[in-house]
Amino acid sequence: NAGVTQTPKFRILKIGQSMTLQCTQDMNHNYMYWYRQDPGMGLKLIYYSVGAGITDKGEVPNGYNVSRSTTEDFPLRLELAAPSQTSVYFCASSYPGFASGYTFGSGTRLTVV
Amino acid sequence: DAKTTQPNSMESNEEEPVHLPCNHSTISGTDYIHWYRQLPSQGPEYVIHGLTSNVNNRMASLAIAEDRKSSTLILHRATLRDAAVYYCILRDPLSGNTPLVFGKGTRLSVIA
Repeated sequence: NAGVTQTPKFRILKIGQSMTLQCTQDMNHNYMYWYRQDPGMGLKLIYYSVGAGITDKGEVPNGYNVSRSTTEDFPLRLELAAPSQTSVYFCASSYPGFASGYTFGSGTRLTVV
Repeated sequence: DAKTTQPNSMESNEEEPVHLPCNHSTISGTDYIHWYRQLPSQGPEYVIHGLTSNVNNRMASLAIAEDRKSSTLILHRATLRDAAVYYCILRDPLSGNTPLVFGKGTRLSVIA
């Protein structure tokens, strides 16, 4: 049982480049989330999705885009990377309902130089 | 949303019990108390949640004050593997499926 899989684990981008962070889950969870975590800080929500075709902004969506074409996949797109986007990115998934625990991936460490 | 307050850091000796406090003085009657932890270089993982009664599972126990303005996560015998950041989060089922909001949590160090 793989859970939530994120790729790549590490990436260095130059300012202005674009990339897609991949996230796949095999638990048939309806809900998926993208968070970022800056050093020494808690996680901040970027985008989330309650099902295929439905996405919504979180606290810090600027500079990012998402899509949800299948239940399993929730890629995060960075356009025109900036140094402020240097962070660790975590994808998570859950069943609906407030009592459902989130399952997180192991993260993607992104550095923009 | 009701907020939580946790100490920035705590230290424990290995194989000793650890009590991680969380204050939530503005908790509403419908807020559940959730705990997650984040091991080094990993994503957070769910630990436990409760409403009013104390809760136990294989990872930890959750003790909730009678007035619900505070709670304590109890690790019965700390191991080196329990060194992590522990997050206390309130979730209101009446707010729908609003995503989790993480604060800075408590960084627990375990000394061998």
